[in-house]
Amino acid sequence: LAKTTQPISMDSYEGQEVNITCSHNNIATNDYITWYQQFPSQGPRFIIQGYKTKVTNEVASLFIPADRKSSTLSLPRVSLSDTAVYYCLVGDIRSGNTGKLIFGQGTTLQVKP
Amino acid sequence: DAGITQSPRHKVTETGTPVTLRCHQTENHRYMYWYRQDPGHGLRLIHYSYGVKDTDKGEVSDGYSVSRSKTEDFLLTLESATSSQTSVYFCAISESGRGGSNEQFFGPGTRLTVL
Repeated sequence: LAKTTQPISMDSYEGQEVNITCSHNNIATNDYITWYQQFPSQGPRFIIQGYKTKVTNEVASLFIPADRKSSTLSLPRVSLSDTAVYYCLVGDIRSGNTGKLIFGQGTTLQVKP
Repeated sequence: DAGITQSPRHKVTETGTPVTLRCHQTENHRYMYWYRQDPGHGLRLIHYSYGVKDTDKGEVSDGYSVSRSKTEDFLLTLESATSSQTSVYFCAISESGRGGSNEQFFGPGTRLTVL
């Protein structure tokens, strides 16, 4: 399973764009890159997933370079409510019968007024 | 929100006692997972299931066992609880067949304290 490395913490201010980068040097050909968000006292919540290039939804954008060894989650114009832990994962639930993904320690994003 | 519940939501028990946590889903999803979350460690996979009676170990499976006799229920058992198993336990479900989707839906969590 591919290991991911992301910053432990980041600070930002309301209204700014936040970019969180994740390294995954040994990503496999069939792996997808997935990001989750977790608020205190809640389970993680799926944000976005991609395989290559760029993916955008109503919440975030995900940028993946051609070599796929890293990815960047972009949160536009953050608000205080975006303060959370963000996890980067790589893998494919349908890979064989393993069906498992590994969460790392995540990045704690603190948005300040 | 996905139909996933956990019971109990909170439990305090003593060292050496058996404990069973239940995860129940109404989504008919194939995969079910048990994670624990501790400060400084993020989420760590304990066991997972890829079908009825089909389970496998995760990264921190020692001291835990699981069973899945029905699609909707996934039980996590601590045969003899230890203080190191004090943690927040999350159940998650996911659906196979959706092209490349790694979307897991998480339950509300169970806070377990072993004294």
